[in-house]
Amino acid sequence: EVQLVESGGGLVQPGGSLRLSCAASGFSFSTYFMHWVRQAPGKGLEYVSGISSNGASTNYANSVKGRFTLSRDNSKNRIYLQMGSLRPEDMAVYYCARGGEDLFDYFDYWGQGILVTVSS
Amino acid sequence: DIQLTQSPSFLSASVGDRVTITCRASQGIGSYLAWYQQKPGKAPKLLIYAASTLQSGVPSRFSGSGSGTEFTLTVSSLQPEDFATYYCQQLRIFPFTFGGGTKVEIK
Repeated sequence: EVQLVESGGGLVQPGGSLRLSCAASGFSFSTYFMHWVRQAPGKGLEYVSGISSNGASTNYANSVKGRFTLSRDNSKNRIYLQMGSLRPEDMAVYYCARGGEDLFDYFDYWGQGILVTVSS
Repeated sequence: DIQLTQSPSFLSASVGDRVTITCRASQGIGSYLAWYQQKPGKAPKLLIYAASTLQSGVPSRFSGSGSGTEFTLTVSSLQPEDFATYYCQQLRIFPFTFGGGTKVEIK
């Protein structure tokens, strides 16, 4: 059974940093693209970032480029989203999602989401 | 970035109704479009990918069509469990943007 479990969320002050983690199981992790999607309270879905299966390629939404860094450790079946210079508008539920073995594949499995609150 | 415009943003319907949601892309994306369903407090669930392919386990009352810049999601006979918010997503060009969502509520 495919499982994605996010951790690392919580309350952080504006300007602060936080690292989210997504632990994957039940599939051949090292062959899949992985992504983060977020959802601000009461709002729609926003694509945040994606990483290739070997970690060599990453992509970011313009809203987080230069502040967030996505990485992965295929030996631990985990991806990490390092978030810096956090702003109130970064407050959201962050979802980890599995892409495909191809860059343009849809997101077929999602984690339960983790809340990040940015507030003083 | 590619913009996806969903319409309507809100839809009130009854059980048994046929409903159609439209997603328009700001530039051509071929068939690189997916549809997701989201219920309150839950993660999105993949319904349709490649514009018209039904994800395994999704009821056949859901269908998708379109290519290029205009796409539709149709529910042939709305069931109580289908009341939710629906999102389209393009997977042609980074960032993989989402539409604004269509909330389907019970009339």
